[in-house]
Amino acid sequence: NAGVTQTPKFQVLKTGQSMTLQCAQDMNHEYMSWYRQDPGMGLRLIHYSVGAGITDQGEVPNGYNVSRSTTEDFPLRLLSAAPSQTSVYFCASSYSGQVIDEQYFGPGTRLTVT
Amino acid sequence: EDQVTQSPEALRLQEGESSSLNCSYTVSGLRGLFWYRQDPGKGPEFLFTLYSAGEEKEKERLKATLTKKESFLHITAPKPEDSATYLCAARSNDYKLSFGAGTTVTVRA
Repeated sequence: NAGVTQTPKFQVLKTGQSMTLQCAQDMNHEYMSWYRQDPGMGLRLIHYSVGAGITDQGEVPNGYNVSRSTTEDFPLRLLSAAPSQTSVYFCASSYSGQVIDEQYFGPGTRLTVT
Repeated sequence: EDQVTQSPEALRLQEGESSSLNCSYTVSGLRGLFWYRQDPGKGPEFLFTLYSAGEEKEKERLKATLTKKESFLHITAPKPEDSATYLCAARSNDYKLSFGAGTTVTVRA
């Protein structure tokens, strides 16, 4: 199993550009989520999904969209990048759809918005 | 508001020098306290889940304990390979997960 994979690993955007961060898992996990990690702060939940076709907002959803058309994939879209979105983004997955058990994290995408 | 606070922010240890990391939490009805390890440039890696006060779990040189207000991660006789950032997270009764900012541990040979 590859586990949770994320692409790209690094990305630089200009203010106003849009892009999609890709996330895939091959463990047949129901629950998937996106976090951002900033220095001195804990991981903050952006969006999550408890199964294909179901998504919901987390703690910091503004400026981001998600969709879940398959169990395996959970892309994160930045609609119009802003410098405040400079961060490291992690995708995670967990077996249970309704109850968050221990999560498996991807390697992260380091995003810089200039 | 749910809150998780970790201390200290950074910890420098000599190889073999045991110590403890603290995770204080205030959440509505704890439904699990998680510990993760994060190496530089990588995603967090799951270590333990604790569910009730008094519970303890061990893995190699690490032992996690839980009280009603805090959790401790004890590192016994650490080795340089234990150097990492350790994150804790608390899950509330509405299944929201709140992470602390982490403790960065450096173990010198």
